[in-house]
Amino acid sequence: SQKIEQNSEALNIQEGKTATLTCNYTNYSPAYLQWYRQDPGRGPVFLLLIRENEKEKRKERLKVTFDTTLKQSLFHITASQPADSATYLCALDASGTGFQKLVFGTGTRLLVSP
Amino acid sequence: NAGVTQTPKFQVLKTGQSMTLQCAQDMNHNSMYWYRQDPGMGLRLIYYSASEGTTDKGEVPNGYNVSRLNKREFSLRLESAAPSQTSVYFCAIADATNEKLFFGSGTQLSVL
Repeated sequence: SQKIEQNSEALNIQEGKTATLTCNYTNYSPAYLQWYRQDPGRGPVFLLLIRENEKEKRKERLKVTFDTTLKQSLFHITASQPADSATYLCALDASGTGFQKLVFGTGTRLLVSP
Repeated sequence: NAGVTQTPKFQVLKTGQSMTLQCAQDMNHNSMYWYRQDPGMGLRLIYYSASEGTTDKGEVPNGYNVSRLNKREFSLRLESAAPSQTSVYFCAIADATNEKLFFGSGTQLSVL
């Protein structure tokens, strides 16, 4: 069966450290993968998109990797801050035909302590 | 969540009641989506509209209907609410490059 999995346990780290979140998938061949941030009571906010032919993408303190062999994406936040505390969702394109086939993970909650 | 406005923010219904969730965008994009988010499950697509005048079913359409009233507005209707429809509902639009979704702030719906 097709699955997209994120660690359901919260990730607790200290301010200044690098946070690494994992997104694994099975039985999909996505053309791209996205990461979103969601704060309590708010809608998700788009962060980054990485395509199947890209190994790594960066945006300020964020870095995303995409390994189509391992079927895994890693999301890194360097020099983490308490303001980075949120739930992070990964989403993959299940069909290559548009967002109507975008599949979301359940998200991982990140807690950054001062 | 600038650009996508959802109303209401909260709603409590009794089983069997009907209601319409409203979504409006001011970004002039074609594609609009309705998702529901439940604990322990990822966002699931209910219906989408690729352009004005068209709508299509997503992953979990049963119990819902939609209307794409014009380019700006996309509404979701529950004709006879059931407790299983207790959820947080999000409207989203795809940007012009189809590389990202912009979400509204959500409607928290409880069906008793």
